[in-house]
Amino acid sequence: GENVEQHPSTLSVQEGDSAVIKCTYSDSASNYFPWYKQELGKGPQLIIDIRSNVGEKKDQRIAVTLNKTAKHFSLHITETQPEDSAVYFCAAPLNGNQFYFGTGTSLTVIP
Amino acid sequence: DGGITQSPKYLFRKEGQNVTLSCEQNLNHDAMYWYRQDPGQGLRLIYYSQIVNDFQKGDIAEGYSVSREKKESFPLTVTSAQKNPTAFYLCASSIATGADYGYTFGSGTRLTVV
Repeated sequence: GENVEQHPSTLSVQEGDSAVIKCTYSDSASNYFPWYKQELGKGPQLIIDIRSNVGEKKDQRIAVTLNKTAKHFSLHITETQPEDSAVYFCAAPLNGNQFYFGTGTSLTVIP
Repeated sequence: DGGITQSPKYLFRKEGQNVTLSCEQNLNHDAMYWYRQDPGQGLRLIYYSQIVNDFQKGDIAEGYSVSREKKESFPLTVTSAQKNPTAFYLCASSIATGADYGYTFGSGTRLTVV
């Protein structure tokens, strides 16, 4: 959606390399930022989220960083594996009532 | 296991027909949502519901209708007024409405107009 911009739209990396996906948002009052992974033919699954009181959160090979001043947040996947191949969506609140989703990043991990 | 169940997985609709997509959750979540997903686009909100017997229009509600008679169920009807219904439809739920909690999504229903 226009309130959340996500880049890049496609990303190919070699297995073992890192992948970074970035989203920018417009509502400076936003406080909660989730990331979802969607495999082919399935619904999105929440993989990590961050609240505005912290700048970074890690969960094994996945991390999310948040820069509230610049209004952007990023998903970092380290030591990528073929099973990381999927479409990743960010989401950000607008007016505190609902989420707007980015247009998605199709990640391909090349063995 | 708790989760959201959407049915059917695939649905074919003839021109002028209404069809209903099912969404059931056993997570005891108050809020439920319907999104539409088109290729290369993000998820767009159709309707959402905060509590039983209450629902609100999202950004693209025209041509759709919903009901929330039970906490567990939030069916979506795609009416003949929806001019371009072919899409992937996703149902989701969260502990409460507002943008403070993540969503649990169903596995989706792919609707095709034939």
